[in-house]
Formats: sequence, C-alpha cells, structure tokens
Amino acid sequence: DTEVTQTPKHLVMGMTNKKSLKCEQHMGHRAMYWYKQKAKKPPELMFVYSYEKLSINESVPSRFSPECPNSSLLNLHLHALQPEDSALYLCASSQVSASMHNEQFFGPGTRLTVL
Amino acid sequence: GENVEQHPSTLSVQEGDSAVIKCTYSDSASNYFPWYKQELGKRPQLIIDIRSNVGEKKDQRIAVTLNKTAKHFSLHITETQPEDSAVYFCAAGGTSYGKLTFGQGTILTVHP
Repeated sequence: DTEVTQTPKHLVMGMTNKKSLKCEQHMGHRAMYWYKQKAKKPPELMFVYSYEKLSINESVPSRFSPECPNSSLLNLHLHALQPEDSALYLCASSQVSASMHNEQFFGPGTRLTVL
Repeated sequence: GENVEQHPSTLSVQEGDSAVIKCTYSDSASNYFPWYKQELGKRPQLIIDIRSNVGEKKDQRIAVTLNKTAKHFSLHITETQPEDSAVYFCAAGGTSYGKLTFGQGTILTVHP
C-alpha cells in the first residue's frame, strides 16, 4: 500500500463546532505531517510527528490540536475555528533517516469550509 | 529561516516545447530539493528530487539542476505535453528535521 488516505474529503463546520480530520498510512513511515494549503498557494507546514512524538510545531493557533495515536494514524482536532481557516488540509508521511530528508507522500486532503 | 523564491509564477508553452522553472533558496545548509506537481483538485506528487551532493538528475523528460554556489536549482521539462499542465512547486529541506519550505508555485499551461 503506497497511499496516504484522509477522511473526510470535505467538511463544513460552524465556528462553534468541534470536528476531527483523520489521516492513515500503511507504508511503515515513522514521520507524519499536517499542512494547510490555501487556493493557488503552496502547502504551509503546521505540525511534524516523528515516532509518534511532536517534533515541529510551526506556531499554529491552539484551536488546531494534533494527535498521533500510533505510527499509522494522525488526527487533527478542530475547535472554534475562524472563516480564514477554510483551506485544504493535507497530511503527508515519510521515512525517517538520521541524516537526510526523504520523500514526503501526500494524502488527497480534506477541503474544510468554516462558516 | 529558509526562504525559497520561484519564477515564473505562470508559464505558457506550446506542446513539444521545453519549459524551465527556476528557484533560489537562502539557507546554505539546505541539502534536499524536491519538485512537486499538483493538478487541479489533486494532491501534490513528487516528480523529481535532488540532493546537494549531485549537480544534475534526469528522469525521462524531466531534469533538475542544482548550483550550490549560487543557491539556485531549476526544473527542465522537454517535449511538453498537455498532461504536463499543472502547478509545480519547488521546495528546500535543510537541517531542521522533516521541514520543507516551498516556493510560491508555477502554473504551467501546455497548449495542444
């Protein structure tokens, strides 16, 4: 299995809702990532998990809360979002090497709309 | 932190022509330079990457060149086809584990 899967594909939520995005990979990768991508813009890194531990947090607002229950799963919990948080949320995964970067495989994304 | 600039922002070519996209980076510690292709409504997909110990890499119609001294790298697509139409992103990765900094993207349109 060489795919990263994400659910749901689309999500519409109000500013007072709580929702979660889910990501799964079965490639044995030990690093997983959350990116935010606005239309016609590059992906922006939000969080990096390495061996299920948070290793990079790009100063993301606390209304976004990541969780890595195991090496195959990555969640992003959403609470009290703002309309400007509407975007495509991409999950990615990669192998881990001590001294070099590895290819990041992206999931299809969740299209989030905050009303 | 790292800053990656990408040019041009849009590129229009005729089928069969070559296309060149250029990126510059600021952090001399960066050592990994991937290129991603993203079709409308799809996920970014890696098309080629290069590491700092290599000056050039080819894969069929696609090639990437790296000039470490000048801190720039380029994507070359030969014999372009309409299915090459997409947004292309360059990126740079350095010593900060796992972090890629992306360029702003190039919208490539190949006219039949």
